[in-house]
Amino acid sequence: AQSVAQPEDQVNVAEGNPLTVKCTYSVSGNPYLFWYVQYPNRGLQFLLKYITGDNLVKGSYGFEAEFNKSQTSFHLKKPSALVSDSALYFCAVRDWAHNSGNTPLVFGKGTRLSVIA
Amino acid sequence: GAVVSQHPSRVICKSGTSVKIECRSLDFQATTMFWYRQFPKQSLMLMATSNEGSKATYEQGVEKDKFLINHASLTLSTLTVTSAHPEDSSFYICSARGLAGASYNEQFFGPGTRLTVL
Repeated sequence: AQSVAQPEDQVNVAEGNPLTVKCTYSVSGNPYLFWYVQYPNRGLQFLLKYITGDNLVKGSYGFEAEFNKSQTSFHLKKPSALVSDSALYFCAVRDWAHNSGNTPLVFGKGTRLSVIA
Repeated sequence: GAVVSQHPSRVICKSGTSVKIECRSLDFQATTMFWYRQFPKQSLMLMATSNEGSKATYEQGVEKDKFLINHASLTLSTLTVTSAHPEDSSFYICSARGLAGASYNEQFFGPGTRLTVL
């Protein structure tokens, strides 16, 4: 079975400092990995994805994530945090081996990022 | 491209009434749609998976008679919460997956519907 762990419920960072939101995954095959952001009372906004290719993926709003197969991780990073980055971040995975049309994304529990001015 | 809309964005209803939520894929054909439920400060929990023209597959613990899902076309799925009660109050999010290419490998999410049952 596929699963995602986001070990931190909350991450606090000062504006201008680099931020990292952690994600580890478990799949039987190769993973499709995603990061989404959610603002209060809003749906999910896509940030970036890893399907194949370069391990470092660049996404929206200056975010990037590095796929590390040996550590089964896909941590989200940004070099310089903004107050407007404060939101709820979700990591999600789908297993290539079970990539039928009916296979949904499995989400982590979410990490609340708070950027302090 | 790959836009998913939901309607309504917010609904308040009395206990015992039924509420229908629509999910549309605006610029692609969605062979599969997923319905999620999200409680405050929690993750998305998959409720059901629906394929166009067939019955939905419900996750364990989700009452299929209470949460009726219809996926009548490749661009529209509906979730009807029947005889709603206060414990059904939640944020409902739909997601769609397409036939091929980028829309097959990803899921595209609607903006969500906030249901409040009084």
